[in-house]
Amino acid sequence: EVQLLESGGVLVQPGGSLRLSCAASGFTFSSSAMTWVRQAPGKGLEWVSSISGSGGTTYYADSVKGRFAISRDNSENTLYLQMNSLRAEDTALYYCAKDNGYSPTPLTWFDPWGQGTLVTVSS
Amino acid sequence: QSVLTQPPSVSGAPGQRVTISCTGSTSNIGAGYDVHWYQQFPGTAPKLLIYGNTNRPSGVPDRFSGSKSGTSASLAITGLQAEDEADYYCQSYDHNLSGWMFGGGTKLTVL
Repeated sequence: EVQLLESGGVLVQPGGSLRLSCAASGFTFSSSAMTWVRQAPGKGLEWVSSISGSGGTTYYADSVKGRFAISRDNSENTLYLQMNSLRAEDTALYYCAKDNGYSPTPLTWFDPWGQGTLVTVSS
Repeated sequence: QSVLTQPPSVSGAPGQRVTISCTGSTSNIGAGYDVHWYQQFPGTAPKLLIYGNTNRPSGVPDRFSGSKSGTSASLAITGLQAEDEADYYCQSYDHNLSGWMFGGGTKLTVL
């Protein structure tokens, strides 16, 4: 059974940094692209970032480009999201999700999803 | 504001059929990119409901179906049940924005 477990979400001050982790199991991690999606309280889903199975190709939403960095450690079956220069509008539940292929493509869908980790940016 | 537009809410009585629309443009759905649908219950993670416009993952009841035409897609739910009450999101790719997009979500209420 595929399992994704996010961690690292905390309360952080504006301008601060944070690294989220997503521990994966139940599938060949290095063979799958992975994605971060966030959901602000009471709001809809927003795609944040995706990474290929090798980690060599990454994609970012304009809202986080230049501030967030996605990475992965295939030896540890773990996905990361380094978040810098955090803003109040980054407050959200951050989900990691498995892509349906090795590289993110326009055909990509996300399945399954982890349970999420909450990031709160506030002073 | 999302590039994929969904109605904020829809409702129906048990046993009825409801549809949820997802309207895009020529840079996403109209460009031929697939549409996928997710179901989310309060306090839980989204779950894939339909992929590749019309395909149901194993375990999803055949009461759920998807379709796509032009710049829009639709999710249809027949034989509505109380347990279908949830939020539903469409998702596709947008080449102008160079990224994957979600609709704003639709809250389904079973009357």
